[in-house]
Amino acid sequence: NAGVTQTPKFQVLKTGQSMTLQCAQDMNHNSMYWYRQDPGMGLRLIYYSASEGTTDKGEVPNGYNVSRLNKREFSLRLESAAPSQTSVYFCASSRGEKLFFGSGTQLSVL
Amino acid sequence: GEDVEQSLFLSVREGDSSVINCTYTDSSSTYLYWYKQEPGAGLQLLTYIFSNMDMKQDQRLTVLLNKKDKHLSLRIADTQTGDSAIYFCAEKGDTGGFKTIFGAGTRLFVKA
Repeated sequence: NAGVTQTPKFQVLKTGQSMTLQCAQDMNHNSMYWYRQDPGMGLRLIYYSASEGTTDKGEVPNGYNVSRLNKREFSLRLESAAPSQTSVYFCASSRGEKLFFGSGTQLSVL
Repeated sequence: GEDVEQSLFLSVREGDSSVINCTYTDSSSTYLYWYKQEPGAGLQLLTYIFSNMDMKQDQRLTVLLNKKDKHLSLRIADTQTGDSAIYFCAEKGDTGGFKTIFGAGTRLFVKA
């Protein structure tokens, strides 16, 4: 009963390094999302994919890219990490109007 | 743009009722949600209400919606220590497409 699986759980990067956050869901959902969570702020949408083969910018897309590899997988890439990207990142998928979240990736950029 | 606001902290004694409040600005909100986040975990949908409803009850949870004032509340009856978590209010409107707007979350502390 995996649901939404994110890897890695923790990551520390140096400024300028790149990395990809992986996300997979086994619920056959069409739509997938990447959010970031910062202290004192709600979740902010980075990118979403309404269906396989499509991606769209959310509220805070700058500095990120995404790939919807197939129906199951949606990855988030930081090409050149910056300290402002230190955050907790959540992947989610949706069925109807309900969001299902992964357990998050805690990313620190030094 | 759309905004969702909620207080950041609430402390209650075990056995008391907790009431978490939220206000939102989007008059076209169709769905209003409460998500729960436990330490080190992702958000889990707790309950949600359609904008054409005033109230929804689900066991210990009662959701009240005042659409005129754009105010949503979550009441947890007989609060237990296991209810300690962050509770996020969220809304989604017809005009937002796939965009769900989240509040900053209310951290509920339950004292034994």
